[in-house]
Amino acid sequence: AQSVTQPDIHITVSEGASLELRCNYSYGATPYLFWYVQSPGQGLQLLLKYFSGDTLVQGIKGFEAEFKRSQSSFNLRKPSVHWSDAAEYFCAVGWRGNMLTFGGGTRLMVKP
Amino acid sequence: GAVVSQHPSWVICKSGTSVKIECRSLDFQATTMFWYRQFPKQSLMLMATSNEGSKATYEQGVEKDKFLINHASLTLSTLTVTSAHPEDSSFYICSAPRGAIYGYTFGSGTRLTVV
Repeated sequence: AQSVTQPDIHITVSEGASLELRCNYSYGATPYLFWYVQSPGQGLQLLLKYFSGDTLVQGIKGFEAEFKRSQSSFNLRKPSVHWSDAAEYFCAVGWRGNMLTFGGGTRLMVKP
Repeated sequence: GAVVSQHPSWVICKSGTSVKIECRSLDFQATTMFWYRQFPKQSLMLMATSNEGSKATYEQGVEKDKFLINHASLTLSTLTVTSAHPEDSSFYICSAPRGAIYGYTFGSGTRLTVV
């Protein structure tokens, strides 16, 4: 069965510092990969997605993610974090219209 | 872009009553709708999958008689929480798959509080 692991439950970074959120998946084939962000009490916003092609994907708000097949990973990065980036981040995998499986989420806190 | 309109955004109801949540695809036909539940500070867990014109498929542990799902048309899927109890208080969100270009479109979610 497919699974998604986000090893870090909480991460705290200083404003202006770089960020990397980890995501590992287990799937029968290379799935579609997604990163979503959720602010408290809000719905999900898609940051970026990977279907195929270039393994470095650019998203909104200055985020990027790199797909590494050999490591079954899809880590999210941002070179300089802003206070408004504080939120919950979810990695998710899916395949061709099947359900999305979500990781447990990583809560990002940003120190001034 | 593709939009799924979900209503209501939040609802407070008394124990024992039923609540209906609607997800409507506004500019595309959603033959499939996934329904997720998210408890506070937790991730999203799939509850069920609805398909237009057929019975919904429920995940293990989800009571089909309690969470009634109807997908009567290509633009509307509904989730009815029957005889709600405080433990049903949660954030419910729907999602429609949109193929290889768009991925998945999510509704904005419904926060249900049962008192």
